[in-house]
Amino acid sequence: NAGVMQNPRHLVRRRGQEARLRCSPMKGHSHVYWYRQLPEEGLKFMVYLQKENIIDESGMPKERFSAEFPKEGPSILRIQQVVRGDSAAYFCASSPLGGSAAEAFFGQGTRLTVV
Amino acid sequence: AQTVTQSQPEMSVQEAETVTLSCTYDTSESDYYLFWYKQPPSRQMILVIRQEAYKQQNATENRFSVNFQKAAKSFSLKISDSQLGDAAMYFCAYGDTSGTYKYIFGTGTRLKVLA
Repeated sequence: NAGVMQNPRHLVRRRGQEARLRCSPMKGHSHVYWYRQLPEEGLKFMVYLQKENIIDESGMPKERFSAEFPKEGPSILRIQQVVRGDSAAYFCASSPLGGSAAEAFFGQGTRLTVV
Repeated sequence: AQTVTQSQPEMSVQEAETVTLSCTYDTSESDYYLFWYKQPPSRQMILVIRQEAYKQQNATENRFSVNFQKAAKSFSLKISDSQLGDAAMYFCAYGDTSGTYKYIFGTGTRLKVLA
């Protein structure tokens, strides 16, 4: 049973380009969370999605960032016109149907470097 | 809003000795989860131990145990018989059981294990 899969593991973008980060939750999980980890910091909540719905995006920057979790396919975190300050590790987590704070399963993260 | 504080940026322990990592949190909720996650250089977030707030008994997992003081809002992690493989960043996290089940992370403690 595969865990939460994130790709790519590493992504390099030039300033002004777009970054697309993908997350496939564990089988049977319909809740996805995105977190951002800046260098030498803890993870910060960005957005919580269920299939085809954004439930809580209180941690998302107001501009340039968007997330989706379509009926079919992985969840996508999209960053438009990236800037150096977007350089970070982005983690996806999933939890079972109905949501649960008991345990979220984390992917290995995508390290975004903006040059 | 909930907050999590880890006041020890770095700790060191001799191999085979015991070390305690501190965590305090703030919440007005009575029901929640608390977690310790280990993050080795690979960046994978590995769940070490989980505590449910309504359970008075402290959680234990092999060499890892917690001291959960609900009234004091304290949640420390004790690692016994420390091993070289325990060296990593350790993050304390609060899990919200109402609403969106998102996690609030502390800033982490870097644990060094000395041979």
